[in-house]
Amino acid sequence: SQQGEEDPQALSIQEGENATMNCSYKTSINNLQWYRQNSGRGLVHLILIRSNEREKHSGRLRVTLDTSKKSSSLLITASRAADTASYFCATDPTSGTYKYIFGTGTRLKVLA
Amino acid sequence: DTGVSQNPRHKITKRGQNVTFRCDPISEHNRLYWYRQTLGQGPEFLTYFQNEAQLEKSRLLSDRFSAERPKGSFSTLEIQRTEQGDSAMYLCASGGGAVYGYTFGSGTRLTVV
Repeated sequence: SQQGEEDPQALSIQEGENATMNCSYKTSINNLQWYRQNSGRGLVHLILIRSNEREKHSGRLRVTLDTSKKSSSLLITASRAADTASYFCATDPTSGTYKYIFGTGTRLKVLA
Repeated sequence: DTGVSQNPRHKITKRGQNVTFRCDPISEHNRLYWYRQTLGQGPEFLTYFQNEAQLEKSRLLSDRFSAERPKGSFSTLEIQRTEQGDSAMYLCASGGGAVYGYTFGSGTRLTVV
């Protein structure tokens, strides 16, 4: 079972535009992470935001977290063709489990 | 340090055969995860090790699945009597703690024919 749901499932934009993807989850969390996955490859960790943080930046990435709505967003600014990938959120539930629960992913395509 | 290494990268096997995958985590990481990912889906948790101790297993890990991490170093995932439904990408991840996120290997893609 997957706790997270990303929205939209697929997104196609022009190079230079911003891309926003959202993640909703179901239970209380310690932190939330975003990962990128290029086709057929492993996942690359992008950014981690703790439950007591509301916003975090890393280069062209901006992540927000709203624990009252159980949602997070990932913004990629000034997108590049190399940003084409699937993006997943992963939550660390507080319910005494060690597992990270991944969402279903957003497939981003950046057109040159 | 070359990151998390998984072998083999690809495995094609006949239904009913046993397969074993290996994961070599980053040497100083004491936490190790196995996940399974099918096409178009996010990774699904299979099992978690802290050092050599297997602390959590998913119900997805049926009796045909077993994982080990002897001496808290590399880990193996074995699937016995493979079924076509086992076809997936098997991902290993290691980390030193939740604060920094986890490093994933490139995965082993299993095809059961």
